[in-house]
Formats: sequence, C-alpha cells, structure tokens
Amino acid sequence: AQSVSQHNHHVILSEAASLELGCNYSYGGTVNLFWYVQYPGQHLQLLLKYFSGDPLVKGIKGFEAEFIKSKFSFNLRKPSVQWSDTAEYFCAVRETTDSWGKLQFGAGTQVVVTP
Amino acid sequence: ETGVTQSPTHLIKTRGQQVTLRCSSQSGHNTVSWYQQALGQGPQFIFQYYREEENGRGNFPPRFSGLQFPNYSSELNVNALELDDSALYLCASSLSGDEQFFGPGTRLTVL
Repeated sequence: AQSVSQHNHHVILSEAASLELGCNYSYGGTVNLFWYVQYPGQHLQLLLKYFSGDPLVKGIKGFEAEFIKSKFSFNLRKPSVQWSDTAEYFCAVRETTDSWGKLQFGAGTQVVVTP
Repeated sequence: ETGVTQSPTHLIKTRGQQVTLRCSSQSGHNTVSWYQQALGQGPQFIFQYYREEENGRGNFPPRFSGLQFPNYSSELNVNALELDDSALYLCASSLSGDEQFFGPGTRLTVL
C-alpha cells in the first residue's frame, strides 16, 4: 500500500535559519507530489507541486522542493524562515493513474519559528 | 480564502447518532473530495464525487456516505457514530480532479 512519511513531527527554529522538511513515499509507479501548508486558524493551502520536468520546484513564499526519484523523496526547503512561516506542513502524493485527485498525506510537521 | 465553505464549524454528537456535514464548492468546480483529519495526523481520503456520482473511495466503512447536488455542493453523512469518528472533516473542491482547494473544515466531537 502507498504511504507517505514525514521525518519530523515538530521542528523549532529561529528566524533567518534554514528549513528543510523531509518527505518520503512508497509507491513504485509515477506520482504527482505536493506540499501543503496550514497556518494557524486557516485552511490547507498549496505551497508547491511537482508533476514532471525539472525536479527542483519553486513555490509560493520562497519555498522550494526537490524530487529525487531514486530516493522516493520530495523534501521541502526554505533558505531563511520568518516568524510568519509558523505552520503545519503536509506532504501529499497522488498516483498518476488516479487522475481524479485522491491525495495521500503524510502525518504533517509542525514548524515553530521563534523571533 | 479558497471559496470553499463548510458548515457547521463545530459539532458535538454522542455515540450512535448520525451527522450530516455540508460543503459548498468553489465556483466553477465540479469535483468534491472529503477527508478526515484525526488529531496529530494528516488528512485521510474518504471519497470523491464528480457530477453527482461517487468516483473514488478510501478505506472507510459504508456508514460514511455522501451526496453531490446539481450545483456541485456536497454532503457527508456518518451513521452510527463512534468515538474514533472525532476529527476535523475537510472538503476540497476542484475542476475535474485538478488542484484541490480546501475548506476550513468541520470539527466533529463524538462523546
């Protein structure tokens, strides 16, 4: 069965520090990959997505992610975080054979950025 | 704001009761997906509706059922509530399965 693993449940870091959140999935076929963010009191929103092409994907708010097919990984990065990046981050995978959009999510990583 | 709305915001029920949650999709979207997010976990796919037909279902029992209406709004019904049904229920709308836009969720507590 397909699964999505996020390496850390909680991350605490200071403003201006670099952020990297790990995501690994188990599925042998072709997948679409997503990172969603949930700011406190807000709905889930899409940060970035990878379907094909350049494995380095840039998203909103300075985030980027790199797809490494051989490692089944899709790690999220931001070079310098701000206090406003405090949120929960979810990695999600969709099988390309399931074109109707069923997303499988990881358990999420709670990120706290301190001033 | 995504344009996806859900009601009610919060709900408290007791074991064995039935509940109906509602979702209004974003304008122009014809597909609605429902997810269950238990505390400390990521959202789990329940099912998806496209043009009033269920076209995908996750690993949830039949007591979880749904409807989609001609205006593409949707309902999630859960019968015979159990304590483990306590969760945040998310609705997401999309155009034919493309990028999903999530609503704020309904927090269901089962006592």
